Parts: sequence; structure tokens; C-alpha cells
Amino acid sequence: GNSVTQMEGPVTLSEEAFLTINCTYTATGYPSLFWYVQYPGEGLQLLLKATKADDKGSNKGFEATYRKETTSFHLEKGSVQVSDSAVYFCALSVSQGGSEKLVFGKGTKLTVNP
Amino acid sequence: DSGVTQTPKHLITATGQRVTLRCSPRSGDLSVYWYQQSLDQGLQFLIQYYNGEERAKGNILERFSAQQFPDLHSELNLSSLELGDSALYFCASSVQAGGTDTQYFGPGTRLTVL
Repeated sequence: GNSVTQMEGPVTLSEEAFLTINCTYTATGYPSLFWYVQYPGEGLQLLLKATKADDKGSNKGFEATYRKETTSFHLEKGSVQVSDSAVYFCALSVSQGGSEKLVFGKGTKLTVNP
Repeated sequence: DSGVTQTPKHLITATGQRVTLRCSPRSGDLSVYWYQQSLDQGLQFLIQYYNGEERAKGNILERFSAQQFPDLHSELNLSSLELGDSALYFCASSVQAGGTDTQYFGPGTRLTVL
């Protein structure tokens, strides 16, 4: 079946530190991969996505590269800010029978301290 | 703001009761998805509608049902509520039913069953 495994949190960093949140997946077919972010008290927002192998998604200083050989989509940011504190979800989608659903990892809570 | 609206924002009710959650998709989006987010289960896909028709089902209980109306808004009906149904319920929408479409999430409805 389809599943996503992401690193357990919580992760606590100081401002300007380097961030990596690991994400690996198992999928039948050719999934699209996503990172969503959930700020406190809010819904999910799409952070970035990649639809095929070797694609790099990027947004707001965050990056992730679709690695088919390692079935991974790790999220990175070179210098985090306090405003990046949130829960980050890795997800995949696979089209099946004309429909598409997202399968999410459990989420990684990031806290950035000034 | 994703353009997806959900009402109500909060709902508190008692066990055994029935509630209706409402979602309006982004303008132009034909597909609506419902997800449940709970502490123990994480984010789980419940059901998808496309242009008024059910397209895919996930881990949706028989006590739960949904529909999408001609104006494309959707309602999720939860009946015979149990304590374990307390969760955040998200609606998402996308332009089409499959492919690599991005799903845009609403702010969610927090359901508390007492």
C-alpha cells in the first residue's frame, strides 16, 4: 500500500540554524510528493510539491528533492526563523481509478527559538 | 487564505447526537475531499466527491456520510456521535479529480463530543 514515514518530533532549533526533516515513502505507481505546513490554530497550507523523480520543490526558503532511488523527499531550509515554528506534514498522492487522495505522515512539530 | 471555507469553526455536542459540517470549495474547483485529524490517528482521508458524485472512499465510518450539491459545496454528516469522533475535520478542494492537482485546505472544523 501507500504510506509515508517522517521523522518523529518535536524538533527544536535556534534561529538561523539548518533544518532537515526526513521523509520516506512507499507507493504503488508514481506518486506526487508534497510538504504541507500547519501553523498553530490554522489549517494546512501547501508548502511545496514535486510531481516526478529528480524534481525539486521550493518555497519560502524551503526545498525538497524527489529521490526515487531512495524513495525520499526530505525537507530542508538553510536558516530557520521563529515564524517557521509549525507542524510539517509530508504527503503523497497517487491517482487510482480517476481519483486522488493524499496519504500523510504523522507530522513533525518544529519550534524555533530566538 | 486558501479560498476554501468551512463552517462552523467549532462545534461542541453530546454523544449520540448528529452534526453537519459544511464546506465551500475554491471558485472553479470541482473536487472536494474530507479529512479527519486526530491525535491518535493523524490525518486520514475520509471521502472525495467530484462534480456531485462520490469518487473515492477512505477510512470513513458507516455513521458518517457526505454529499456534494449542484453548487459544489459539500456537507459531511456525522451521526450517533462518540467521544472518539472528537477531531479536527478538514475539507480540501482541487480543480479536477486526479492527476497531479494540488489540494487546497480549509481552516477546519473542530468537533468536540462530550
